[in-house]
Amino acid sequence: GQNIDQPTEMTATEGAIVQINCTYQTSGFNGLFWYQQHAGEAPTFLSYNVLDGLEEKGRFSSFLSRSKGYSYLLLKELQMKDSASYLCAVRDAGNNRKLIWGLGTSLAVNP
Amino acid sequence: DTEVTQTPKHLVMGMTNKKSLKCEQHMGHRAMYWYKQKAKKPPELMFVYSYEKLSINESVPSRFSPECPNSSLLNLHLHALQPEDSALYLCASSQVLAAKYQETQYFGPGTRLLVL
Repeated sequence: GQNIDQPTEMTATEGAIVQINCTYQTSGFNGLFWYQQHAGEAPTFLSYNVLDGLEEKGRFSSFLSRSKGYSYLLLKELQMKDSASYLCAVRDAGNNRKLIWGLGTSLAVNP
Repeated sequence: DTEVTQTPKHLVMGMTNKKSLKCEQHMGHRAMYWYKQKAKKPPELMFVYSYEKLSINESVPSRFSPECPNSSLLNLHLHALQPEDSALYLCASSQVLAAKYQETQYFGPGTRLLVL
């Protein structure tokens, strides 16, 4: 089967750093996405990794290890507006236009 | 223009009604998607169009009928829906690339549908 695991909830403090982990077991691998979704709104694309290593975009970074089936999203200098759900999704190697989604990590940033 | 737009934002309909959801993008993307999302769940793929042709139907009930009249527009026609169809309906689009593993899906704001 195909499975994506990520923590259900996390809490962090404004100004701090938080790491959201995602592990996957899929038949084949063609890339991993991170999306941010505020309550009642659409998912917003954050990052994409297809090769091992770290991709940095401002306050957000994403890391991938294909051999370990593992990724993380790192959020620095947390702001209250970062309170949202963070969705990890792996591209289905059998059909590249299908994404296999994790259930999302709900992040609460406290003052 | 890097937006996917959707109308209406909210829709309330009875089980005997017929309504349509609309999606539009002007990014030159040739793949367009419909997703359904329930509260606290990830998006669930319904349909994918590539070059205005249906390429994926995830065994969606026939009361949902997609249509792609041109490369910028995607519609979802609704008829005889059930209360359990109440959800956020998301449209997305992506480029069509030779290397499909490089395609990224961008989402519209969604239509929140309530079926009474």
